[in-house]
Amino acid sequence: DAGVTQSPTHLIKTRGQHVTLRCSPISGHKSVSWYQQVLGQGPQFIFQYYEKEERGRGNFPDRFSARQFPNYSSELNVNALLLGDSALYLCASSLNFVGTGADTQYFGPGTRLTVL
Amino acid sequence: AQSVSQHNHHVILSEAASLELGCNYSYGGTVNLFWYVQYPGQHLQLLLKYFSGDPLVKGIKGFEAEFIKSKFSFNLRKPSVQWSDTAEYFCAVNGQYNFNKFYFGSGTKLNVKP
Repeated sequence: DAGVTQSPTHLIKTRGQHVTLRCSPISGHKSVSWYQQVLGQGPQFIFQYYEKEERGRGNFPDRFSARQFPNYSSELNVNALLLGDSALYLCASSLNFVGTGADTQYFGPGTRLTVL
Repeated sequence: AQSVSQHNHHVILSEAASLELGCNYSYGGTVNLFWYVQYPGQHLQLLLKYFSGDPLVKGIKGFEAEFIKSKFSFNLRKPSVQWSDTAEYFCAVNGQYNFNKFYFGSGTKLNVKP
């Protein structure tokens, strides 16, 4: 079975540009979460989506947005890119709503974003 | 706000040595606790998790962790490490008021010498 897939693998953008990152969850999984991992740090929670609705948001500016599609895939959008947005962006999927903590998140390989 | 502290940033051990990685969290309510591992070139994967019940949790590959509520700790242990345990280990927590938000520690890089 395919795991969580993310595209693209790597991306280089310049300051002020916009970027869209994509994630396909494991088949049957309805929840997708996004994380930002800056070099040398642990993943930081950005969003969680379940059944196409936002269920949680971390401490990120409004430049960050996301959505989930009817097939449960998801996009993360970042506007007006800053140098500090350079990071590995991770997507994780789980079968159900992670809110109870009882569900396991499965992580994808990530998209490495470099902002010049 | 919740936070997770992993005090050991880099640990070097010889094979067969015992391992204990520290994890402390700050949160006053009910928490769920996790350890994730990232082997070189691989994705983050769940090692073990604690929700409730027995505070000693056993995970994959011989790892275990003990939840000590009074110390706000969830330390990871393994009696005898192998070279294949070389990886980065992350502690994570979510809490009863924000179960949908996970907070990760900064990670501990473990290097096991053969």
